[in-house]
Amino acid sequence: DAGVIQSPRHEVTEMGQEVTLRCKPISGHNSLFWYRQTMMRGLELLIYFNNNVPIDDSGMPEDRFSAKMPNASFSTLKIQPSEPRDSAVYFCASSLAGKVFGELFFGEGSRLTVL
Amino acid sequence: ELKVEQNPLFLSMQEGKNYTIYCNYSTTSDRLYWYRQDPGKSLESLFVLLSNGAVKQEGRLMASLDTKARLSTLHITAAVHDLSATYFCAVGLQGAQKLVFGQGTRLTINP
Repeated sequence: DAGVIQSPRHEVTEMGQEVTLRCKPISGHNSLFWYRQTMMRGLELLIYFNNNVPIDDSGMPEDRFSAKMPNASFSTLKIQPSEPRDSAVYFCASSLAGKVFGELFFGEGSRLTVL
Repeated sequence: ELKVEQNPLFLSMQEGKNYTIYCNYSTTSDRLYWYRQDPGKSLESLFVLLSNGAVKQEGRLMASLDTKARLSTLHITAAVHDLSATYFCAVGLQGAQKLVFGQGTRLTINP
């Protein structure tokens, strides 16, 4: 069974450019999470969706960040315009939430470098 | 606000020794997870702890949960080099889906 699939794995861009990160959750999972990992701040939750609906976006740093989940098998995280401080590894994770909240399964991450 | 603190943050130990990583959290929770991350890799789930007194073991790793003390431990027995990695605990806010992660413990096991 395929795990969480993220693309691109690596992205190098210049300040001011738009960046779009993509995620395909595990089939059948109904919750999707975007985390950001940096040395300074560790793993931070940016936003999560349940049944394609954003539930908590309080971790989104500012208006330059936006996330969508148009259907159960696809989500995007967009940064526009990008800045050097956005450089990080962005992880997507999915889980199955029912009466009990399931564990999170993580993708391989997208390593973003903004010059 | 739920805060999760791990200690130590860095741990260097010799093969064959035992050690414990601690995870403290600040508010009531109904679940706690331990994850492993190798350099440049994703996070791999190790243990799920759902109730007070829960203990899980896999190989040389054993995790336990004390919900009254808001404390989980990850115990390493007779460490081997392959266990070198960063270990994270993650705590679920009661009634909410999201997980809050600790800072991670970077474990280095020397031959």
